[in-house]
Amino acid sequence: DVKVTQSSRYLVKRTGEKVFLECVQDMDHENMFWYRQDPGLGLRLIYFSYDVKMKEKGDIPEGYSVSREKKERFSLILESASTNQTSMYLCASTPAGGKLFFGSGTQLSVL
Amino acid sequence: EDKVVQSPLSLVVHEGDTVTLNCSYEVTNFRSLLWYKQEKKAPTFLFMLTSSGIEKKSGRLSSILDKKELFSILNITATQTGDSAIYLCAVFIQGAQKLVFGQGTRLTINP
Repeated sequence: DVKVTQSSRYLVKRTGEKVFLECVQDMDHENMFWYRQDPGLGLRLIYFSYDVKMKEKGDIPEGYSVSREKKERFSLILESASTNQTSMYLCASTPAGGKLFFGSGTQLSVL
Repeated sequence: EDKVVQSPLSLVVHEGDTVTLNCSYEVTNFRSLLWYKQEKKAPTFLFMLTSSGIEKKSGRLSSILDKKELFSILNITATQTGDSAIYLCAVFIQGAQKLVFGQGTRLTINP
């Protein structure tokens, strides 16, 4: 079975802190994605990557950056966390064609 | 702008009822449409549809795609309380290699 692992299930940070959310997949997938999920808004794409060192902005990239130094790992970075970044963050990967495999999610609270 | 719209956003029915969830899309380069079910944690995959008019079925759930009218429906017959969840529709964009999600439908099944 494909496994997508997110490093933290729950995270509490203070405004202004730098936050790293890590995601690792074990199936050699090319494409990896970071979404945030908020009530009533569905999943919104922050950034995605289709290859090592490649990254593309999604629909809401402001306030975020990403890093993909190795194929299996895709990190989401909040340079200076703000309260409006409190959300559920979901990482996903896919070989190609659309069937996404999701991690368990990280519920981030920024106080 | 690529857009996926689900309706209704929320639905409450009694156990045993049949429900139909809708998903319409306007995207630049369609490749596939996917349905996911999300309970407490990460979304789990239900169906991937690429061809018009071919019904996909899994137990009490079925789905069909209409590429001419740009929509899909997800049917659940003889609903059970365990069907209570958020149902997400997403479209994979060819070329851009990304998945765009709708807002989700929150389905509640009352005993």
